[in-house]
Amino acid sequence: NAGVMQNPRHLVRRRGQEARLRCSPMKGHSHVYWYRQLPEEGLKFMVYLQKENIIDESGMPKERFSAEFPKEGPSILRIQQVVRGDSAAYFCASSPSPNEQFFGPGTRLTVL
Amino acid sequence: GENVEQHPSTLSVQEGDSAVIKCTYSDSASNYFPWYKQELGKGPQLIIDIRSNVGEKKDQRIAVTLNKTAKHFSLHITETQPEDSAVYFCAATMNTGFQKLVFGTGTRLLVSP
Repeated sequence: NAGVMQNPRHLVRRRGQEARLRCSPMKGHSHVYWYRQLPEEGLKFMVYLQKENIIDESGMPKERFSAEFPKEGPSILRIQQVVRGDSAAYFCASSPSPNEQFFGPGTRLTVL
Repeated sequence: GENVEQHPSTLSVQEGDSAVIKCTYSDSASNYFPWYKQELGKGPQLIIDIRSNVGEKKDQRIAVTLNKTAKHFSLHITETQPEDSAVYFCAATMNTGFQKLVFGTGTRLLVSP
């Protein structure tokens, strides 16, 4: 059983561009979480999704950020009009139930 | 909301020594406390967890203790090995239908041969 997959692993964007981060959960997992990790800091919760539904997005900035987990395909975290402060590692985690999260390797976003 | 503090931020030990990392949490309603190990360039990996109805849990060289009254929980690694070198994160959450983990700031553990 493959683990949680994230792509791309590294993403470079210029200020004002869009960033799309993809997360494929483990087989059979219908719960996805997204976290952001700034350098030398712990992970901060952004959003929790189940298939086709956003359950909790309290950690996600209201503007420029959006997330989805469609019926088919990976979960997508989208950041519009990126700014330098968006540079971070973005991790997703999946779970077969609301418990025990399994983390992917992360996408490291650099905004020039 | 929940706030988790973690100490120390860095910890250097000799191979074979024990290592202890401590965390405190603020929300008495939190009832699930996992520990994660993160190696360079990788995602966090769950190494052990404890729920609030248990005071201690062991898994080979790793143990976690929980003091609900003081709102403290600690990770203990015995007989450390160089491959234990990594960043360790504690986290806390209320299991209210889903896990909204609140992480500590991490401890960089270095085990010297």
